[in-house]
Amino acid sequence: EADIYQTPRYLVIGTGKKITLECSQTMGHDKMYWYQQDPGMELHLIHYSYGVNSTEKGDLSSESTVSRIRTEHFPLTLESARPSHTSQYLCATESFWRGEADTQYFGPGTRLTVL
Amino acid sequence: SQKIEQNSEALNIQEGKTATLTCNYTNYSPAYLQWYRQDPGRGPVFLLLIRENEKEKRKERLKVTFDTTLKQSLFHITASQPADSATYLCALEDGGGFKTIFGAGTRLFVKA
Repeated sequence: EADIYQTPRYLVIGTGKKITLECSQTMGHDKMYWYQQDPGMELHLIHYSYGVNSTEKGDLSSESTVSRIRTEHFPLTLESARPSHTSQYLCATESFWRGEADTQYFGPGTRLTVL
Repeated sequence: SQKIEQNSEALNIQEGKTATLTCNYTNYSPAYLQWYRQDPGRGPVFLLLIRENEKEKRKERLKVTFDTTLKQSLFHITASQPADSATYLCALEDGGGFKTIFGAGTRLFVKA
């Protein structure tokens, strides 16, 4: 089991609120990812990072931001939550090291409901 | 655009039988393909990775094949058990080595 932690696990909030989903890892992996997944659907990449001070946009990034100030921490912020943001948010890590690369380790996810 | 297709219908099999799941892709030339397991309300868990120069890979009761001509991967679970019931996701490197593209998965039910 990978050491990836996501908080909160469940969150119900009202429209227009600013929220930050936390993701932390203890494996020292350089790559980190945020995905959004609706039930029975594929994972959509929101943001990713190659390391400290590196952030890149994925397919669904326009309404959220991320930061990577420390290797172990990769928070995702929604500036103004909307009902369309209701979904499961998954954080993942990946190592650059040969023999471990190309495999992603996922956290347990945050289930977000926006009323 | 890049696309991954997995059977959206659930697969129901009897315990002890072999489950076979299919992953087809278009507009790709991925360097590798992966299979993950996902349980309800949890994050995916990595199972196997197979590279473009490999035809088959095995791990315990799991076997994956990768046919780059057909653009297809088959995932087999032999001697299936009820504990194998889950959703299985196919994932491919996006061709540039920067991102992984995931399929929607196939739900497997193994009946005792």
